[in-house]
Amino acid sequence: DAGVTQSPTHLIKTRGQQVTLRCSPISGHKSVSWYQQVLGQGPQFIFQYYEKEERGRGNFPDRFSARQFPNYSSELNVNALLLGDSALYLCASSYMTGGSYEQYFGPGTRLTVT
Amino acid sequence: GDSVTQMEGPVTLSEEAFLTINCTYTATGYPSLFWYVQYPGEGLQLLLKATKADDKGSNKGFEATYRKETTSFHLEKGSVQVSDSAVYFCALRITGGGNKLTFGTGTQLKVEL
Repeated sequence: DAGVTQSPTHLIKTRGQQVTLRCSPISGHKSVSWYQQVLGQGPQFIFQYYEKEERGRGNFPDRFSARQFPNYSSELNVNALLLGDSALYLCASSYMTGGSYEQYFGPGTRLTVT
Repeated sequence: GDSVTQMEGPVTLSEEAFLTINCTYTATGYPSLFWYVQYPGEGLQLLLKATKADDKGSNKGFEATYRKETTSFHLEKGSVQVSDSAVYFCALRITGGGNKLTFGTGTQLKVEL
């Protein structure tokens, strides 16, 4: 089975622009979470979606938004990009929320803001 | 709030040396504890986990014991290999807190021949 896939792999944007990152979970997984990993730091939780509903939100500004589609794939949108948004954005999927269900991470999207 | 503190790296060891990476945590509720590994250019992989006090997680020769009294979850391996070179992240998830993982800053391990 395919793992978690993310697209694009890399992208470069200019300050003030908007970006959309995409995530396809493992087949059968209903929950998707997004994390931001700044170089040299641990991942920071941004959002969790389960069955198309937001189930958790981290300490990020409203410029960050996300949604989950009926096929459980997800998009992360970031508006009005800042230099500090440059990071690796990770998506993780799991069968359900909480409990002992393992989360599987994708390879990430490397965003560079210039 | 919840937080995880890891020893700073990089940690450089010779092959077959003993490894310890320290991890302590602060939690607002009852946490499950995890170690993830990140190889260069890749996403995170779950290495091991423990869901209650005194549980020992183990995988691929790595071990960690959930110590509630010292709020610690130190990672150990008896004999490291060059292929273990990676960044290791300690993380927690609060019971009833959904899937949110709180990570430490990571510890880079370099194993040399």
